[in-house]
Amino acid sequence: NAGVTQTPKFQVLKTGQSMTLQCAQDMNHNSMYWYRQDPGMGLRLIYYSASEGTTDKGEVPNGYNVSRLNKREFSLRLESAAPSQTSVYFCASSEAGAGRWIQYFGAGTRLSVL
Amino acid sequence: RKEVEQDPGPFNVPEGATVAFNCTYSNSASQSFFWYRQDCRKEPKLLMSVYSSGNEDGRFTAQLNRASQYISLLIRDSKLSDSATYLCAVDTGRRALTFGSGTRLQVQP
Repeated sequence: NAGVTQTPKFQVLKTGQSMTLQCAQDMNHNSMYWYRQDPGMGLRLIYYSASEGTTDKGEVPNGYNVSRLNKREFSLRLESAAPSQTSVYFCASSEAGAGRWIQYFGAGTRLSVL
Repeated sequence: RKEVEQDPGPFNVPEGATVAFNCTYSNSASQSFFWYRQDCRKEPKLLMSVYSSGNEDGRFTAQLNRASQYISLLIRDSKLSDSATYLCAVDTGRRALTFGSGTRLQVQP
């Protein structure tokens, strides 16, 4: 069972380049999320999608755009990458269970912007 | 004040020791609480949900104190394999979670 799959696993960009991080889940979850994790900062929510067709900003949305392509896929786009966006990016999905929104994470994308 | 705060550690404990972590949260309306485990350079994985009445899973016990707005994680009989970073997570009321920065545990032989 694949769960949450992220591609690519690693990426190096030059300042100003654009790229899209892909995320897909096979658990039929309605909600999907993008986080970034920096050393000592924990996970910070960039954007999330409570259901297909909706997206909302999280704590650190600036410099990013998202697309909820369908129920399975939620992509994160960097239009003009900056060194401050060097980070590890995690995608997650969740569904309510006994009233709790338990999140399941992908393996992450390690991005370096030079 | 951060929404969710944890002592970053590291907590260095010998095998077999009991260790406890706390996590404080600021949103009194939060309803869901979790502990996640994260190994170095890996994704966070759910360790356990935290229920009002407290819950136990083997060597792990989680407690919620709503009055003081903190959750705790107790690990008994620590194993080398417990070495990891433990993240607490609290719901924001919008189907999203806010994570603490994590507490690093190092169990030593």
